[in-house]
Amino acid sequence: AQRVTQPEKLLSVFKGAPVELKCNYSYSGSPELFWYVQYSRQRLQLLLRHISRESIKGFTADLNKGETSFHLKKPFAQEEDSAMYYCAPPQNAGNNRKLIWGLGTSLAVNP
Amino acid sequence: EPEVTQTPSHQVTQMGQEVILRCVPISNHLYFYWYRQILGQKVEFLVSFYNNEISEKSEIFDDQFSVERPDGSNFTLKIRSTKLEDSAMYFCASSVGQGLYNEQFFGPGTRLTVL
Repeated sequence: AQRVTQPEKLLSVFKGAPVELKCNYSYSGSPELFWYVQYSRQRLQLLLRHISRESIKGFTADLNKGETSFHLKKPFAQEEDSAMYYCAPPQNAGNNRKLIWGLGTSLAVNP
Repeated sequence: EPEVTQTPSHQVTQMGQEVILRCVPISNHLYFYWYRQILGQKVEFLVSFYNNEISEKSEIFDDQFSVERPDGSNFTLKIRSTKLEDSAMYFCASSVGQGLYNEQFFGPGTRLTVL
């Protein structure tokens, strides 16, 4: 079974500083990994997925199979990035896929 | 843009009472999910649903829980006899498919408080 660890419950940075939200996973086989975000008073939404190799809102995440990590990075944090971030790999669930969630990291970007 | 909706936003109930949490998935979606998050804990998968039947359920989803898609639009989660530990935020999600690129779209959640 896939498990994820997000070691930091809270990460506080100043605006313009680089930010890295850590995610480590344990999985046998080729992992699929997603990052979900929840802004204040908004719903959970997909931020990015590793298979797309995309950059969304300046965030990127590289899958490092050697370190079993999928850290989320942004070179210059903005105040509007303040939110709860979840690393959430999908796992097969019958005909569906269920998301397995980390504890989440609360990112606070200070002015 | 279509969204998943959930009602009510907050439900307060007495222990032992039945509650029904309602969700309206995005209309062309075929796969449906319930998750819950107890305060301060991880989001946890409860159940997935496809083609009018449960695809998988977690060990949390015991006989007190049931899901239904009664009319082709609503997707409900029923808790027959609520316990204090059922207090949590319950999220409904839907997706058009279940492949790698099929994103699960989440509702805003229902906060259930069991007294």
